Amino acid sequence: GAGVSQTPSNKVTEKGKYVELRCDPISGHTALYWYRQSLGQGPEFLIYFQGTGAADDSGLPNDRFFAVRPEGSVSTLKIQRTERGDSAVYLCASSLSPVQALSYGYTFGSGTRLTVV
Amino acid sequence: AQTVTQSQPEMSVQEAETVTLSCTYDTSESDYYLFWYKQPPSRQMILVIRQEAYKQQNATENRFSVNFQKAAKSFSLKISDSQLGDAAMYFCAYRSKGSQGNLIFGKGTKLSVKP
Repeated sequence: GAGVSQTPSNKVTEKGKYVELRCDPISGHTALYWYRQSLGQGPEFLIYFQGTGAADDSGLPNDRFFAVRPEGSVSTLKIQRTERGDSAVYLCASSLSPVQALSYGYTFGSGTRLTVV
Repeated sequence: AQTVTQSQPEMSVQEAETVTLSCTYDTSESDYYLFWYKQPPSRQMILVIRQEAYKQQNATENRFSVNFQKAAKSFSLKISDSQLGDAAMYFCAYRSKGSQGNLIFGKGTKLSVKP
């Protein structure tokens, strides 16, 4: 596609429920990043995929968070047993590669606003 | 660990005037990249300008320019001839050269433009 697509745009869920957030990157972009942006804060890194593998998941806050990218394109961020503190905007970004991102940049999606009530 | 600090939660500028947004960072690395991103209400991060640390010349992009002071670890953004469409959140971000590409962001500055 022309840009990074994230669905749903908004998601309201009850505390304790399971949610999935989807990111569809630009075709051909092998690098994919997930960030979490809490209210009044800048985005914080969660996880980085190079192709199908999670090359760096050091930003995931705990084991309730998990992400996959089985075919090297679409990625899904999964949150189990959601808590009110998980409420945030979840942003996805992609690039051709980490090195090429320096020249060609990252393309961000518009994010999913998750609200846990 | 690297950190990025934006000390101005909010700034305001009159249309057609100039405004400067501040950013400082902390790192022990000598080679890195710095970015300014704009985030309008649509939430999509848009790259405004980037600076390579080993380049002493300040980057410019049309009405946007930076004042990069490596020794002081300062990276401010100057917006000239401000336009109503410049109103948004602005984030300063840091990236290690050899990293896997993840960005470290500041908390942002909300810029308002008065007509």
